[in-house]
Amino acid sequence: QSALTQPPSASGSPGQSVTISCTGTSSDIGGYSHVSWYQQHPGKAPKLMIYEVSKRPSGVPDRFSGSKSGNTASLTVSGLQAEDEADYYCSSYAASNKLVFGGGTKLTVL
Amino acid sequence: EVQLVESGGGLVKPGESLRLSCAASGFTFSTCGMTWVRQAPGKGLEWVSTISYTSDTHYAESVQGRFIISRDNAKNSVDLQMNSLRAEDTAVYYCATDGIGWSRDSWGQGTLVTVSS
Repeated sequence: QSALTQPPSASGSPGQSVTISCTGTSSDIGGYSHVSWYQQHPGKAPKLMIYEVSKRPSGVPDRFSGSKSGNTASLTVSGLQAEDEADYYCSSYAASNKLVFGGGTKLTVL
Repeated sequence: EVQLVESGGGLVKPGESLRLSCAASGFTFSTCGMTWVRQAPGKGLEWVSTISYTSDTHYAESVQGRFIISRDNAKNSVDLQMNSLRAEDTAVYYCATDGIGWSRDSWGQGTLVTVSS
């Protein structure tokens, strides 16, 4: 039940696009379409941004998109805005009714 | 509007026990799985435990045998009984609702548990 691997940091200027990767194994990301992404601002609870690899909950801007290839999932934030600066976490179903999270990526808007 | 309010956190010594509660409102609690996720200070999110709407329970290896999750559909609440606490259990504990595809779609604000002598 190892954590998924995310880069510790990512950055981009307002209006640009940034992609955050999340790498797992065939036992989690590669084996299922149950990948989610969460945004967490300092001192706040996480917020669901993407579920089932690429679906957005109601109210999440379409600037946020998700994808998956093999054992790696990705979150892309297009048209970066100042309020997108936050920590982002991926998660995946990991068989036997387990859930695993990534270590988190701090997104900085320059 | 979904509301989740955690309570029960505090300072305990290693080896002691603590019981967390999460009061839920704004949705049909009895048909929703519930999950506890924790976050150690300055660290990432860690899944702790999930209870399905049929009360099937699942645990992370790090807490298996020490923590017990339960639910009370009459009170719209989910509890986490934490026994034999260790320093590494120090974290903010969040409860969350189980969404589609193993997502967690609503979260409480968390309750802090500190395990220290």
